[in-house]
Amino acid sequence: GAGVSQTPSNKVTEKGKYVELRCDPISGHTALYWYRQSLGQGPEFLIYFQGTGAADDSGLPNDRFFAVRPEGSVSTLKIQRTERGDSAVYLCASSWTSGSNEQFFGPGTRLTVL
Amino acid sequence: GENVEQHPSTLSVQEGDSAVIKCTYSDSASNYFPWYKQELGKGPQLIIDIRSNVGEKKDQRIAVTLNKTAKHFSLHITETQPEDSAVYFCAASITGNQFYFGTGTSLTVIP
Repeated sequence: GAGVSQTPSNKVTEKGKYVELRCDPISGHTALYWYRQSLGQGPEFLIYFQGTGAADDSGLPNDRFFAVRPEGSVSTLKIQRTERGDSAVYLCASSWTSGSNEQFFGPGTRLTVL
Repeated sequence: GENVEQHPSTLSVQEGDSAVIKCTYSDSASNYFPWYKQELGKGPQLIIDIRSNVGEKKDQRIAVTLNKTAKHFSLHITETQPEDSAVYFCAASITGNQFYFGTGTSLTVIP
């Protein structure tokens, strides 16, 4: 079946702009995770959802970052007033349910802030 | 929070040889340890995982060992092939939700 998909694959924006990154999880997966991967580093946890609710947003770096999952499927990561330091690959993963351990990752969105 | 360290950062082996990547973790409450393979431009792909109630797990040419007392776990790849070349990440998790990743090992298999 289809895996996790993310759009766009690449996003270039200017400092100060607003961006939205989309994640489509594997069908039937109730848990969804966002990670950020800087060049040469491992992914860093941002937030995860169980169903529609954000169960843990402790990894969001500041209040410019926000994520939603209104219908318990697709999720959008929103970044306001982008800064050059936000440049990274943003990865989305999903799993059957929270705490089920196996997380399946999408290909990521490469965000570049000029 | 949990801190995961991974070594080496780069590893080159001849085709057919074995490769070993080692990770340590800091929080004894961690109980799930996945390993991911990431190819250029792609997302991480789960290749094997182990839970804290198991000391070793094997899947064809790949094996993982866990030493809970020492808080370290290792990935072993035997009979390496050029297609094994990629970046490998270890991770640890306490809740099964938030994963703490190592910094990655770039493996090159020389034909």
